[in-house]
Amino acid sequence: EAGVAQSPRYKIIEKRQSVAFWCNPISGHATLYWYQQILGQGPKLLIQFQNNGVVDDSQLPKDRFSAERLKGVDSTLKIQPAKLEDSAVYLCASSKGREAGELFFGEGSRLTVL
Amino acid sequence: GENVEQHPSTLSVQEGDSAVIKCTYSDSASNYFPWYKQELGKRPQLIIDIRSNVGEKKDQRIAVTLNKTAKHFSLHITETQPEDSAVYFCAPNSGTYKYIFGTGTRLKVLA
Repeated sequence: EAGVAQSPRYKIIEKRQSVAFWCNPISGHATLYWYQQILGQGPKLLIQFQNNGVVDDSQLPKDRFSAERLKGVDSTLKIQPAKLEDSAVYLCASSKGREAGELFFGEGSRLTVL
Repeated sequence: GENVEQHPSTLSVQEGDSAVIKCTYSDSASNYFPWYKQELGKRPQLIIDIRSNVGEKKDQRIAVTLNKTAKHFSLHITETQPEDSAVYFCAPNSGTYKYIFGTGTRLKVLA
């Protein structure tokens, strides 16, 4: 079974530029998450999808971050315009979504904003 | 909002000794209590989990205990080995499928 796929693995941009990250969850997983992990901290939930609907985006800075999960499969997270404090690893995770259970993480996308 | 704290933030033990990490949460509706291990530069991976109808679960050298009344659960690692060195996160659910990660505990196992 293929795991959670993310791309790109690394991205370096200047502040005020835009960036997009892509995630393809494990086949059949209904729930998809985007977490932001700043160096030395725990993952912080940005947004949670159940199929193609948003369940929780309370921690998403909506003035600059957006995310979508078209057709309930893969997802894209966009940042525009980026700030220095957005430098972090963006982790995508998926779970079966039938009961509370294991999160399966992708390798993450490391963003550096200069 | 939900609050999840871990103690200690760092822990150094001699190889072969035991390590215990505690996670305190605030949401009384939480019913799923996992622990994740994150090695340097890697993704978090589940190492053990427990549900609210069970007080303790063991898997070889690792175990998790739950005190739902006091709203905390703990990770126990016995006979620690150098490969146990990593950052450990608890991530109790808040709402059925929402998981809030703790502040993390950096474990160093000294050979």
